[in-house]
Amino acid sequence: DAGVIQSPRHEVTEMGQEVTLRCKPISGHDYLFWYRQTMMRGLELLIYFNNNVPIDDSGMPEDRFSAKMPNASFSTLKIQPSEPRDSAVYFCASTAGVDTIYFGEGSWLTVV
Amino acid sequence: GDSVTQMEGPVTLSEEAFLTINCTYTATGYPSLFWYVQYPGEGLQLLLKATKADDKGSNKGFEATYRKETTSFHLEKGSVQVSDSAVYFCAAGAPAGGTSYGKLTFGQGTILTVHP
Repeated sequence: DAGVIQSPRHEVTEMGQEVTLRCKPISGHDYLFWYRQTMMRGLELLIYFNNNVPIDDSGMPEDRFSAKMPNASFSTLKIQPSEPRDSAVYFCASTAGVDTIYFGEGSWLTVV
Repeated sequence: GDSVTQMEGPVTLSEEAFLTINCTYTATGYPSLFWYVQYPGEGLQLLLKATKADDKGSNKGFEATYRKETTSFHLEKGSVQVSDSAVYFCAAGAPAGGTSYGKLTFGQGTILTVHP
């Protein structure tokens, strides 16, 4: 299995620009999670989906952040407009609900 | 909500030394417990897990036992190697099979550096 695939791996963007992060979960997994990692706050859950439906988005920092899962094999996390404080590593993870939770390699975002 | 507390780091050891990284949790019910490892510039990899009291998770020489009475899940390894240098995260989550499984609460991470 290819594992959880995230893109881009690295992105540098200017403040105010829209950022789109993408995730392909492991085939057959019906849970998908977006986490953010920063030095100040560590690893935080932003949002998670079950069967493509958002279940809990209480971790989404503000309205500038949005996430979608249009089908079982694809999810996006958008930031519009981006700000320097959004600089972080964003991880996508997936699980079948009774097994190991698998993380992608992360998208390293820098907003200048 | 759930919370996870790890021992403060960083931890610096010589090769072949004994490693312990403490982890305690606060949660309702009986969470599943995990240790993840993150190597420089990489994502999180599951190191080991335990889903019920007294379970011992083990992998690559690392071990951790789910202690319900002390709400702990300490990570141990008898003889560390330079290649073990990484950041280690303890995490707690809903029991396997539950609707919130995978919704993990992470500790702050412990940086381990092993010198030759």
